[in-house]
Amino acid sequence: EAGVTQSPTHLIKTRGQQATLRCSPISGHTSVYWYQQALGLGLQFLLWYDEGEERNRGNFPPRFSGRQFPNYSSELNVNALELEDSALYLCASSLTHRGLGGYTFGSGTRLTVV
Amino acid sequence: GENVEQHPSTLSVQEGDSAVIKCTYSDSASNYFPWYKQELGKRPQLIIDIRSNVGEKKDQRIAVTLNKTAKHFSLHITETQPEDSAVYFCAASKPNTGNQFYFGTGTSLTVIP
Repeated sequence: EAGVTQSPTHLIKTRGQQATLRCSPISGHTSVYWYQQALGLGLQFLLWYDEGEERNRGNFPPRFSGRQFPNYSSELNVNALELEDSALYLCASSLTHRGLGGYTFGSGTRLTVV
Repeated sequence: GENVEQHPSTLSVQEGDSAVIKCTYSDSASNYFPWYKQELGKRPQLIIDIRSNVGEKKDQRIAVTLNKTAKHFSLHITETQPEDSAVYFCAASKPNTGNQFYFGTGTSLTVIP
């Protein structure tokens, strides 16, 4: 079974630009979660999508947004990039949000804002 | 919300010794506590988890304990090996939040051969 795949692996953008990150969940998983892993700050919850809807978002400004497509893949968009947005962005998928269980992370997209 | 604190931030042990990483959480409603291991340049991987109806869980050399009253849980690694060197993250989740995790800030474990 293919795991969670993310693209691109690396992305370099200039301050003020927009970045688009993509995630394909494990086949059959309907929930997709986005986390930001900035240096020294652990993993911060960004967004949760399930069945095409945004279900919850973390403490991030509105310029962090995204969507989930009918095939359950997801896109994270970061507008008006700032230097502090430089981080590893991890996507995870889960079979269902209703049960408890650890989820599988993708390998991440390393975003560098210069 | 939920606040998860993790310590120590760095830990060095001699190969063969034990390592203990501790986490505390603030919300008594939290009922699921996974631990993730992240090797350098790789994705976090689930290594063990515990639910709030259990006090201890063991899987070979790793174990997790949970004290619901004190709101803390710990990861224990025995007979450490160099390949245990990684960053370890604890997390907590609450019911009805869609399996969203609140992570600790991580512990960088170095096992010295």
